[in-house]
Amino acid sequence: QSALTQPASVSGSPGQSITISCTGASSDVGGYNHVSWFQQHPGKAPKVMIYDVSKRPSGFSNRFSGSKSGNTASLTISGLQAEDEADYYCSSYTASGTWVFGGGTKVTVL
Amino acid sequence: EVQLVESGGGLVQPGGSLRLSCAASGFTFRSYWMHWVRQAPGMGLVWVSRISSDGSTTNYADSVKGRFTISRDNAKNTLYLQMNSLRAEDTAVYYCARVPETTLFDHWGQGTLVTVSS
Repeated sequence: QSALTQPASVSGSPGQSITISCTGASSDVGGYNHVSWFQQHPGKAPKVMIYDVSKRPSGFSNRFSGSKSGNTASLTISGLQAEDEADYYCSSYTASGTWVFGGGTKVTVL
Repeated sequence: EVQLVESGGGLVQPGGSLRLSCAASGFTFRSYWMHWVRQAPGMGLVWVSRISSDGSTTNYADSVKGRFTISRDNAKNTLYLQMNSLRAEDTAVYYCARVPETTLFDHWGQGTLVTVSS
């Protein structure tokens, strides 16, 4: 199972919005509404920000939103803040009954 | 408070074996599917394996199938990953995660480092 494709890096200024893409195939991203997004700060465990394409875990910031079109899912961070600087990973359930992650995107707040 | 604490990592020679544990507390462990995810140093996340709440269903990534075995002891609130025939490319931090819904990996442990080297 090949990793999902994410841009290596995305940057933005405080207050701006940025979008991270996650491209897979019809056997994973395109075939199921089972895409999640994780935030990981250096030396820390990942934290889920979005699941099932666009759902936010209870109590999580609404500055994070998810969507999907075809084989590509997207994470949008609105009102970018300094604490949003981190690595972000997408993940999808697959037709093989397994999960696959993206290669990760480093978000830099300028 | 939900807590997941991994242990059992360390240095092992290529071809060797190691068993990781993930001690769960703060929730009804027997009700949840559990997963293992790993991360090589400086690299991205890679899904490894999952097990159903009662232990009857397991799935593995192709890269570990036939070498790793996931299991659980619901009486001890503990998840395991038996790793055999270890290779250098298995070197990583291994995380356990609770997954109440298909893609809701809502709680993670702090990870345990496995280093495969001679």
